[in-house]
Amino acid sequence: GQQLNQSPQSMFIQEGEDVSMNCTSSSIFNTWLWYKQDPGEGPVLLIALYKAGELTSNGRLTAQFGITRKDSFLNISASIPSDVGIYFCAGQGSRDDKIIFGKGTRLHILP
Amino acid sequence: KAGVTQTPRYLIKTRGQQVTLSCSPISGHRSVSWYQQTPGQGLQFLFEYFSETQRNKGNFPGRFSGRQFSNSRSEMNVSTLELGDSALYLCASSLKGRGQETQYFGPGTRLLVL
Repeated sequence: GQQLNQSPQSMFIQEGEDVSMNCTSSSIFNTWLWYKQDPGEGPVLLIALYKAGELTSNGRLTAQFGITRKDSFLNISASIPSDVGIYFCAGQGSRDDKIIFGKGTRLHILP
Repeated sequence: KAGVTQTPRYLIKTRGQQVTLSCSPISGHRSVSWYQQTPGQGLQFLFEYFSETQRNKGNFPGRFSGRQFSNSRSEMNVSTLELGDSALYLCASSLKGRGQETQYFGPGTRLLVL
């Protein structure tokens, strides 16, 4: 079945650093989504991408939909303590397909 | 506008029992999807309901079932619980569950099977 490989699994960074994480798949997706999950909460959508090559920003977050439609990355610039959490990528083939999630990148920010 | 609500938030059951979880979508949303989240497998899609009909289904055994009511509220049921069913069960709602729509997640129900 379809699978998403998300890396890295976890990251330890200093406050103020930039962060980059990515997702790859052997299948083509028509939609890429990036979510953040805080402890005890459900995932919250950060950025949605609908077109190959699309680059979209949401504040300090930037995500890109890969040209091959098999990958996507998320960058966070100038990290702050509230960026701590688990970031998930997700992909959807056609609009009728279920959404497939990556296993998440756990972001830790060192004091 | 109230968000997606799930009840109960926490549940402890023993093997062999059955459990019913409830999800109330955002008002006006007609699509409800259910996911299982575990540390090992991550977020896995269970099923999606729209207008009281199951529209999509993941790769879970028949012990996992769901339904949706005319007011769009949804329930999922797990029968004959196994230890491996311990997980966070999340539901998400969207307007129609189609195309470029945002899915909003509830806080989840944490199920522990002993």
